[in-house]
Amino acid sequence: AQKVTQAQTEISVVEKEDVTLDCVYETRDTTYYLFWYKQPPSGELVFLIRRNSFDEQNEISGRYSWNFQKSTSSFNFTITASQVVDSAVYFCALSEASFQKLVFGTGTRLLVSP
Amino acid sequence: GAVVSQHPSWVICKSGTSVKIECRSLDFQATTMFWYRQFPKQSLMLMATSNEGSKATYEQGVEKDKFLINHASLTLSTLTVTSAHPEDSSFYICSATHLVFSPLHFGNGTRLTVT
Repeated sequence: AQKVTQAQTEISVVEKEDVTLDCVYETRDTTYYLFWYKQPPSGELVFLIRRNSFDEQNEISGRYSWNFQKSTSSFNFTITASQVVDSAVYFCALSEASFQKLVFGTGTRLLVSP
Repeated sequence: GAVVSQHPSWVICKSGTSVKIECRSLDFQATTMFWYRQFPKQSLMLMATSNEGSKATYEQGVEKDKFLINHASLTLSTLTVTSAHPEDSSFYICSATHLVFSPLHFGNGTRLTVT
C-alpha cells in the first residue's frame, strides 16, 4: 500500500526565513511519481512539482527547491526567503506509474508572518 | 486559465436534501475523473474514480448509493450527495485527466455545508 507522511503539522516562520517541509513516502512500486501541491485558504490546489522515481536530480524553481532522496524515501521541499504569500497548506502526494490516482499526505500548514 | 471547472464553489443545503456537484473539463476530453473529499484541516481522500461511459469505482468505505457519480460525457462528471447529513459537510474536489500519463488537472473545489 502507498503512504505519504508529513510529520510537520504546522510550521511558523518569520518572513525571509528559509523553511523545509518534510515528506516521507512508502510504496512497493518501482515506478512512481511524487508531487507537491499548495492549498491557499481559498481551497484550490496549486500544482508545484511532479517528479518520477527515476529522476533523483534536485530541482530549483525560483525560491522553491526540492530534494528527492530515494535511499531515505523522502521528497523534501524548501522555500528560501519565505514570504507572507507562501502561507498555505502544502501537500505531498504519491501516485502509481500512471500518476493519476494520488495518495496525499496530511499536509503541513505554513504560516509566514511579517 | 483553469482547465477544470467545478460548480458550484460553495453550497449550503438542508439535511435530507440532495446536492449535485459538477466537474467539467474545459479544453480537453477527460476520460478519467477523480473525486476527493477533504474534511476541515485534514488531507484529501480519494472517494471514487470514474471513467467515461462506465460505472465509477469507489474506494473502500465510501457509500456508492449515497455518493452518486455520473460520467456520461468526456467533459462532464457529476457527484450527487443524496440525503445529505451534517457529517457530509466537507470540501469536495475533482480532478481530471485525458489519458494515462497525461497531466492531472484539479478543479477549484466545492465547499458543502449541510445544516
